[in-house]
Amino acid sequence: AQSVTQLGSHVSVSEGALVLLRCNYSSSVPPYLFWYVQYPNQGLQLLLKYTSAATLVKGINGFEAEFKKSETSFHLTKPSAHMSDAAEYFCAVSPNSGYSTLTFGKGTMLLVSP
Amino acid sequence: GAGVSQSPSNKVTEKGKDVELRCDPISGHTALYWYRQSLGQGLEFLIYFQGNSAPDKSGLPSDRFSAERTGGSVSTLTIQRTQQEDSAVYLCASSLEPRGEQFFGPGTRLTVL
Repeated sequence: AQSVTQLGSHVSVSEGALVLLRCNYSSSVPPYLFWYVQYPNQGLQLLLKYTSAATLVKGINGFEAEFKKSETSFHLTKPSAHMSDAAEYFCAVSPNSGYSTLTFGKGTMLLVSP
Repeated sequence: GAGVSQSPSNKVTEKGKDVELRCDPISGHTALYWYRQSLGQGLEFLIYFQGNSAPDKSGLPSDRFSAERTGGSVSTLTIQRTQQEDSAVYLCASSLEPRGEQFFGPGTRLTVL
């Protein structure tokens, strides 16, 4: 079975500060890992994904994440927060074979203050 | 191009009534997924379609829930005898192929009174 843990239901940063959203996974086999963003009253949008190629993955809007097998982590970072980054972020895992049913974490709400 | 669309965007119903939620995937996408997003449970997988068949229904919470997909396109999620705990946002996603990127619709917010 696979599971995802996101540390912190809410994270607050100032505009221009570093964004760090934490994600740890549990999987019996090497998984695929994803970060999605959800803006209010909208569906989920894929930010980036890890599919066993490069361990440092760059996504849209300046976000990146690093897969660390030894730590079973896939933390999301952005060097400088923008007001438009305020949203809810979900880490997800899927099997690396077959079809891609996603198992999501509980989500982290990112708040950005001026 | 058009993305995944879902209707209705909001649905309020009374306990015990049946509801149907519709998903129109991106044209040509063979894989379709339903998820449920609720305050208590977060985002949960419900059912996966490949074409018109559903090889994975493991996430459906009870036999009151069913789904079908016709013509390899539109899918309908039906909830019979709705309960208050069914209140949630129901999200649909489609992908070009089973391992492809999933594109999500805006969801249907279901409120059971």
